[in-house]
Parts: sequence; C-alpha cells; structure tokens
Amino acid sequence: ELKVEQNPLFLSMQEGKNYTIYCNYSTTSDRLYWYRQDPGKSLESLFVLLSNGAVKQEGRLMASLDTKARLSTLHITAAVHDLSATYFCAVGSGGSNYKLTFGKGTLLTVNP
Amino acid sequence: DTGVSQDPRHKITKRGQNVTFRCDPISEHNRLYWYRQTLGQGPEFLTYFQNEAQLEKSRLLSDRFSAERPKGSFSTLEIQRTEQGDSAMYLCASSLEVPTSGRIHEQYFGPGTRLTVT
Repeated sequence: ELKVEQNPLFLSMQEGKNYTIYCNYSTTSDRLYWYRQDPGKSLESLFVLLSNGAVKQEGRLMASLDTKARLSTLHITAAVHDLSATYFCAVGSGGSNYKLTFGKGTLLTVNP
Repeated sequence: DTGVSQDPRHKITKRGQNVTFRCDPISEHNRLYWYRQTLGQGPEFLTYFQNEAQLEKSRLLSDRFSAERPKGSFSTLEIQRTEQGDSAMYLCASSLEVPTSGRIHEQYFGPGTRLTVT
C-alpha cells in the first residue's frame, strides 16, 4: 500500500524567510503533484513532476523530484503572507497513475 | 466557468437520511474521480470512472455508498443511511486521459460538497 508522508505538518515562518517542505513516498511512482488548499476551499494545482530530477518553479515556490530517493521537496523563497495555506503532495499510482494518494498536508502560516 | 462544479456546496442532514451529490466535470474530460477529505487530513480516493464505467472502488466506499456516471458526463454520489462518520468534504475531480498522446494526466478538482451529519 502506497504511503505518503509530509513533514513538517505545521510550519510557522516569518515573511522573507526560506523553508522547505518534504514529501516521502513508499513505492515507485513517476508522478508527483503539489496542491494548495485555502481554508474551506478546494485544491489548486501547483506543480506536476513527471521524471527523476524534475524541477519546476512558479514565483516563490520551487518543487523538485528525486524518484530514486522517493522524495519531493517544495521550497519556499522569501515567504509572503499570501502563501499561507495548506500544501499537499500527492503521488499517482495505478495503470495511468490515475489514483492519487495524498499526504496529510503542511499547514503553512507566514507571519509579518 | 468551465471548471469542475459540484452541487450542493453544503449539506446538513440527520443521521439515517439519504443524500445525493452531483459533480459536473470539465466537458471534454473522460475521467471522473471522487475523493473524501476529513478535517486535518488529505483527500482519500473513493472511486473513479472512465467515461460511464466505474473502474475502481476504494475499501472506504461501504455498501451504503453508490456512485454513477450514467452517460459519461456528470456523476452522482449517493450515501444511504448516513452516519456521523460520513461528515466530510466530498471532492470531485476530472481529467482527460489520452494514453498515446503523452499528455499530463492532471486532475482538476471541484469546490467540494461539505456534508454534516447531525
């Protein structure tokens, strides 16, 4: 059974600081997703990582994938308050990687 | 708005009642998924459809749950004899799967239906 672990689960940081969220998963997959969720809202897709060594960046967020280590990271650079949200990683499994298994999420709070 | 839509957005029901939720996927998407999310957790896979065929059901989906996608477009999720443990956000997602195209199989999520069972 595929297990996805995120850490930390809670992250409080100051504006302007950098930090990294880690996502480990237990079985082979070549498809890793990062989503953002604001309170009471649905999931917003941030990144789709498809291959070993993939790196994608959007604004202050950068995601990477190491399929050999079964590890993905989401790096936050110079955090701003608007980044406060819960971030989920999800791993695809199944014939066309149809089923997503999510981590528990990281609740990020960026303080002024 | 051409995204995934869900109805209703909120549902409060008494234990033992039946409820039905609807999901309208992005129009050209042939795959439709249902997930359940409880407070403080990530979404958990329930079931998915390829066109009108239901291809997998999670062990989370007890006999009280049934999902349909009769014409390969919208889908319904029915919960019979609701229990307090059914209280959760029910999320629908859709994707376009074209195996030979190499296209990214990204799932787009709807706003969810929040169910509260009292």
